[in-house]
Amino acid sequence: GQNIDQPTEMTATEGAIVQINCTYQTSGFNGLFWYQQHAGEAPTFLSYNVLDGLEEKGRFSSFLSRSKGYSYLLLKELQMKDSASYLCAVMDSNYQLIWGAGTKLIIKP
Amino acid sequence: GAVVSQHPSWVICKSGTSVKIECRSLDFQATTMFWYRQFPKQSLMLMATSNEGSKATYEQGVEKDKFLINHASLTLSTLTVTSAHPEDSSFYICSARDGLADTGELFFGEGSRLTVL
Repeated sequence: GQNIDQPTEMTATEGAIVQINCTYQTSGFNGLFWYQQHAGEAPTFLSYNVLDGLEEKGRFSSFLSRSKGYSYLLLKELQMKDSASYLCAVMDSNYQLIWGAGTKLIIKP
Repeated sequence: GAVVSQHPSWVICKSGTSVKIECRSLDFQATTMFWYRQFPKQSLMLMATSNEGSKATYEQGVEKDKFLINHASLTLSTLTVTSAHPEDSSFYICSARDGLADTGELFFGEGSRLTVL
């Protein structure tokens, strides 16, 4: 079967750094996405990785290792507005997105 | 970036009535649109995939006669919840893929919160 695993909840302090991990087992691989979702809102796109390595975009970076079926989202200089759920999703060989359950990130002052 | 507009944002209806939700791609051609349902504190659950001009493909466990999906043009897909019941109350979200640019990125609508009384 196909599955995406990520932690259910994480807590971090404002100004700190947090890493959210995602491991996956899917039928084929055509890229991995990270989305941010605030409560009651639709997800917003953060990053897309299809090749191994680190992609940096401002305070957010995303890493991918295809051989390990592993990705992480790194958030630096955390702000209170970063409190949200972070969804990992993998596009399989049929170009369908397989979604993780999401990681709820709680930022404390 | 590409914009997907979803309407209505909020809808309250009586049990037994039908509700239509529209999803429009405003500045690109969406050859494929996806409909999701999200219950509180849960992740997105794909309901169906619709390709312009063809019948939607429904995920296992989703009743196609209850959740009617129409994707008659490259910029519009509709989801109709027929004979809605309180258990259908949920957050419904559409997303679309740009058929020409096709970077793989999904563009999401704002979501529609349905409450069935």
